[in-house]
Amino acid sequence: DAKTTQPTSMDCAEGRAANLPCNHSTISGNEYVYWYRQIHSQGPQYIIHGLKNNETNEMASLIITEDRKSSTLILPHATLRDTAVYYCIAWKTSYDKVIFGPGTSLSVIP
Amino acid sequence: EPEVTQTPSHQVTQMGQEVILRCVPISNHLYFYWYRQILGQKVEFLVSFYNNEISEKSEIFDDQFSVERPDGSNFTLKIRSTKLEDSAMYFCASSFRETQYFGPGTRLLVL
Repeated sequence: DAKTTQPTSMDCAEGRAANLPCNHSTISGNEYVYWYRQIHSQGPQYIIHGLKNNETNEMASLIITEDRKSSTLILPHATLRDTAVYYCIAWKTSYDKVIFGPGTSLSVIP
Repeated sequence: EPEVTQTPSHQVTQMGQEVILRCVPISNHLYFYWYRQILGQKVEFLVSFYNNEISEKSEIFDDQFSVERPDGSNFTLKIRSTKLEDSAMYFCASSFRETQYFGPGTRLLVL
């Protein structure tokens, strides 16, 4: 699985969009970009994933660059409950283990 | 929406005792996993399970650990003789295809 690089921490004002970047310059053609988050010590929560195209669901949007070397997770209207560690994972999804890095600690500020 | 559930939410045990952590995966899922997270550290993979056998296990998953799917709904992790360093959050996950869905975890404290 390709290595991903994320900022250690970010702040976002409540109600504003949170844009979380991720670099995955060595990603291979069959690896998806997955995002999970972990609120305090709860179980990791699946957010969204994509291969090439941008994706949107009820939680977030995922923007993947055309060369697939980086992506951005967008939480359109961040709330205090979005304060969490966000993990970007490049993953073949062949039912393999998920390898979690340190992620980005997002703090949503009132 | 279907969820992975885990019991108990908290478990305190004495060193050397056996513990069994229980998970009920999402009902139509076929792949099952255990992960753990020591306080302040990353989530680490322990073992994956498919078709009633272990698919992959990490170095952490030594002979003290075992997994079982005793019936059609439960998936268990047993630690035979707990050590202090086994204190951690243990997360169960399941998947039908690629995306793994995680349970809320069991906090294990070994004294």
